[in-house]
Amino acid sequence: DSGVTQTPKHLITATGQRVTLRCSPRSGDLSVYWYQQSLDQGLQFLIQYYNGEERAKGNILERFSAQQFPDLHSELNLSSLELGDSALYFCASSAHDSSTNTEAFFGQGTRLTVV
Amino acid sequence: AQSVTQLDSHVSVSEGTPVLLRCNYSSSYSPSLFWYVQHPNKGLQLLLKYTSAATLVKGINGFEAEFKKSETSFHLTKPSAHMSDAAEYFCVVSDRNAGKSTFGDGTTLTVKP
Repeated sequence: DSGVTQTPKHLITATGQRVTLRCSPRSGDLSVYWYQQSLDQGLQFLIQYYNGEERAKGNILERFSAQQFPDLHSELNLSSLELGDSALYFCASSAHDSSTNTEAFFGQGTRLTVV
Repeated sequence: AQSVTQLDSHVSVSEGTPVLLRCNYSSSYSPSLFWYVQHPNKGLQLLLKYTSAATLVKGINGFEAEFKKSETSFHLTKPSAHMSDAAEYFCVVSDRNAGKSTFGDGTTLTVKP
């Protein structure tokens, strides 16, 4: 158990809908990262928050947004969903501002299926 | 710019034989390198990391990797495969100047009895 909790584990929704994925980082970790893992794109970094502020952006679509709350949990909002958004979404956390030198701990992921 | 290439998408070995998963990287600066393992329906777990200390890095479950700057490689090895090693393995390169981590496409390791 990595200590990172993601909910829900599975989500099935229709095209055009909006969903929210939730992540609770490990106790004491200030950084939260979101990743998308799909068969055709592999594992892609979406966005990072550190202590409530956005720190880095990767290949995140404009239809997607995220935030980190004062209690350090984070939410990833996906809107106007398309079939191609079906993927496994991972959250990871680390103690420091960057994952470049410190270990990131991953949650078990939320599997999103858009039908 | 940074990139990482995992040279084999699938590797199959017999139980008890050595494992070699190959990773080459490209980075403008001195990188940090990681190997993660993902078992089916599980999150990613760190196996080992290189952060400019010893070039031979030992990780969990008997895995190790050697950082070779001249070859820009960070191959993952294990002397003797176990059935429980069957999983997908990701090589990751990071540097502070890029400000993010880049994942390889993954290598699926199959272990035959």
